[in-house]
Amino acid sequence: DQQVKQNSPSLSVQEGRISILNCDYTNSMFDYFLWYKKYPAEGPTFLISISSIKDKNEDGRFTVFLNKSAKHLSLHIVPSQPGDSAVYFCAASAQTGANSKLTFGKGITLSVRP
Amino acid sequence: EAEVAQSPRYKITEKSQAVAFWCDPISGHATLYWYRQILGQGPELLVQFQDESVVDDSQLPKDRFSAERLKGVDSTLKIQPAELGDSAMYLCASSGGRYNEQFFGPGTRLTVL
Repeated sequence: DQQVKQNSPSLSVQEGRISILNCDYTNSMFDYFLWYKKYPAEGPTFLISISSIKDKNEDGRFTVFLNKSAKHLSLHIVPSQPGDSAVYFCAASAQTGANSKLTFGKGITLSVRP
Repeated sequence: EAEVAQSPRYKITEKSQAVAFWCDPISGHATLYWYRQILGQGPELLVQFQDESVVDDSQLPKDRFSAERLKGVDSTLKIQPAELGDSAMYLCASSGGRYNEQFFGPGTRLTVL
């Protein structure tokens, strides 16, 4: 049973436009959410995170929105750049401490067209 | 910038052989994780260490997989014997901050023939 769902396997956007990557979760105990970016043959790179006490966190071109009532979060990338082309994983944990396991979604492949 | 180191980057082996992967976490990070990622899926936790102690190994196939972190620093994951279904990317991560931001190494791509 997938507790973190990324239902769209891929997304293609034009350079300079906004990319919106969606993620849904089912476990109401999740209280910390992270986005990772992964290039082929490399490990995931931490991108941005959000605690359940917030509904928005912004870091440069990346913004994560959290809707707890809908159990939904999204990552916005504005403006999108060709270098953003990668697989993006949504992850969640049930504790904000440093020793809590992450549950990952299957990932979304983002392609940014020049 | 501090990074998680893993070796080897690639490993090809025949089924029934033994393989071992090594991970050196970011200095000072007490928590170390081994994940397995199958193509088209997200990483799944195999084992988690807090210092030298195992915190969670509920998803580790203990009949063939073993993991250790003897001095609470670097760690080794072993598979013996390897099976065809073990072909995957094996990722090591560490964390040590206030929040659970895990930092991943480059991974070991295992191919079992």
